Amino acid sequence: TQLLEQSPQFLSIQEGENLTVYCNSSSVFSSLQWYRQEPGEGPVLLVTVVTGGEVKKLKRLTFQFGDARKDSSLHITAAQPGDTGLYLCAGAKDDKIIFGKGTRLHILP
Amino acid sequence: GAGVSQSPRYKVAKRGQDVALRCDPISGHVSLFWYQQALGQGPEFLTYFQNEAQLDKSGLPSDRFFAERPEGSVSTLKIQRTQQEDSAVYLCASSAYRERYYGYTFGSGTRLTVV
Repeated sequence: TQLLEQSPQFLSIQEGENLTVYCNSSSVFSSLQWYRQEPGEGPVLLVTVVTGGEVKKLKRLTFQFGDARKDSSLHITAAQPGDTGLYLCAGAKDDKIIFGKGTRLHILP
Repeated sequence: GAGVSQSPRYKVAKRGQDVALRCDPISGHVSLFWYQQALGQGPEFLTYFQNEAQLDKSGLPSDRFFAERPEGSVSTLKIQRTQQEDSAVYLCASSAYRERYYGYTFGSGTRLTVV
């Protein structure tokens, strides 16, 4: 059973479009992180959200932590080819960090 | 160093061979983690060190896997008698914090292929 479900698994859109990817769980997390991973590299931390309902912005990326601290979303505005990559959410629970399987995003120029 | 360094970047091992994967964390980082990432999957937790103490090894898939961090800095993940199912990318991460609550800095990983 996957503790963190990410959707969609794959997303291919045109440059300039907006998109949202989701990270859902039935478990409560003390914090949730989003990473981006490019081929042949390790994941790179984008953001950590801690408080239920928290919203953080990183340039064109907006991250939201659900009120109940069970889910999160990542919204990208005006996607660019440089946004291409695997987006992973990870939750801190019971002294472990658990990763979802990721959303593979491809932005077409 | 400036980041987490892992070596080798690529390793091909014959089935049954022993391998050792090295991780140099960011200097001064207290916490060190090993993860295994199969193709198309997210990273799966293997083990966690706080300084030289291995506080959690619940993710190690079998007793063929062993990790150490004897002086609280460099860590080695050893896999004995490798099997084909061990083929994966092994990622090391470190953190300045004791709590796993905060994000990690990952290395680029070691891609292990068992043939």
